Amino acid sequence: EVQLVESGGGLVKPGGSLRLSCVVSGFTFSSAWMSWVRQAPGKGLEWVGRIKSNIDGGTTEYATPVKGRFSISRDDSKNILYLEMNSLKTEDTAVYYCIWRPWWGQGTLVIVSS
Amino acid sequence: DIQMTQSPSSLSASVGDRVTITCRASQGIGNDLGWYQQKPGKAPKRLIYAASSLQSGVPSRFSGSGSGTEFTLTISSLQPEDFATYYCLQHNTLWTFGQGTKVEIK
Repeated sequence: EVQLVESGGGLVKPGGSLRLSCVVSGFTFSSAWMSWVRQAPGKGLEWVGRIKSNIDGGTTEYATPVKGRFSISRDDSKNILYLEMNSLKTEDTAVYYCIWRPWWGQGTLVIVSS
Repeated sequence: DIQMTQSPSSLSASVGDRVTITCRASQGIGNDLGWYQQKPGKAPKRLIYAASSLQSGVPSRFSGSGSGTEFTLTISSLQPEDFATYYCLQHNTLWTFGQGTKVEIK
């Protein structure tokens, strides 16, 4: 059974940093392209970024609003996907989901507020 | 960037109604489109992939069509459990979601 479990969300002040984790199981993580999507309260879905498998180069792509502030990485030995978020803004407040193919995690809530 | 324009943003319908939701891409994306259903407090669930292929376990009242720039999600006979918000997602060039369509009870 495929499972994706996010953690690391919480309350952070504007300008602060946070690292989200997504622990996966049930599929071959090392060959998976993984994505992050977020959803602000009461709003629609917004793609954040993705990371290719290391076999395919391990490269990352980001949505314009987070480029230069967010960084996606992976630890294939531990089956964990990361989202490092720096210089956080109030508009980054959202539930953050990790995704592989049709499978989504349950999400973790990030609140950026003073 | 590819933009996805989804319409309508909301609709009211009754159980048994046929419902159609449309997404238009700002440039051709082949059939690199999926449809998702989201209920409050839950993660989205994929209904359709490759524009017209039904995800395993999804009822056959859901169908998708289109290619290139125009895509449609149809619910042939709306059921009580179908009241939710629906999103299209293009994955031809990175990812872009449509704005969402909230399907409410009339």
